[in-house]
Amino acid sequence: DTAVSQTPKYLVTQMGNDKSIKCEQNLGHDTMYWYKQDSKKFLKIMFSYNNKELIINETVPNRFSPKSPDKAHLNLHINSLELGDSAVYFCASRPKLGHSPLHFGNGTRLTVT
Amino acid sequence: GENVEQHPSTLSVQEGDSAVIKCTYSDSASNYFPWYKQELGKRPQLIIDIRSNVGEKKDQRIAVTLNKTAKHFSLHITETQPEDSAVYFCAANYPFGNEKLTFGTGTRLTIIP
Repeated sequence: DTAVSQTPKYLVTQMGNDKSIKCEQNLGHDTMYWYKQDSKKFLKIMFSYNNKELIINETVPNRFSPKSPDKAHLNLHINSLELGDSAVYFCASRPKLGHSPLHFGNGTRLTVT
Repeated sequence: GENVEQHPSTLSVQEGDSAVIKCTYSDSASNYFPWYKQELGKRPQLIIDIRSNVGEKKDQRIAVTLNKTAKHFSLHITETQPEDSAVYFCAANYPFGNEKLTFGTGTRLTIIP
């Protein structure tokens, strides 16, 4: 079983559209994250939820809205997509804060045309 | 917030030689330092990690060293093999406030057969 699963794997859409990416983890972790990896491979944190509560919201346009219906799920909705939103988006989870590693999903490659 | 610098950005070594990747962090409170390997088109995967109360950790051909005074840590890969070719990321965990892992900018390692 995949521990952190994201859907879809690929997403191609036009500017101005709205799209969602879904993430689920079956590891029982309390904390979930969204990271963005751009074409230069930089990994930047976007959001973090701990037990359904938003705890980190980096400087991300408000067109991006995360939602955590329960601690096993963290979805990302993006409104009015722009060319600069093209990237790979990784969901990740962590068992607890502190000395624990992130477990990444397989990523969603978003291409905005 | 934490800032992590990683060098070099690219590294080519002959198969069988050693590779060293270095990172520095800015906040002396950071307490946990994982290293991730990302193969082309795949997710980042943890290869080794070290806590701030340990100076060195080894796992077969991979070792990590931590110098808390100088605020730097390094990844050492010995007897490199073609399958070691990937992008490697260091990260530092800042444990206070909105705790999060901050990643370095990545090192593309190429093993020359």
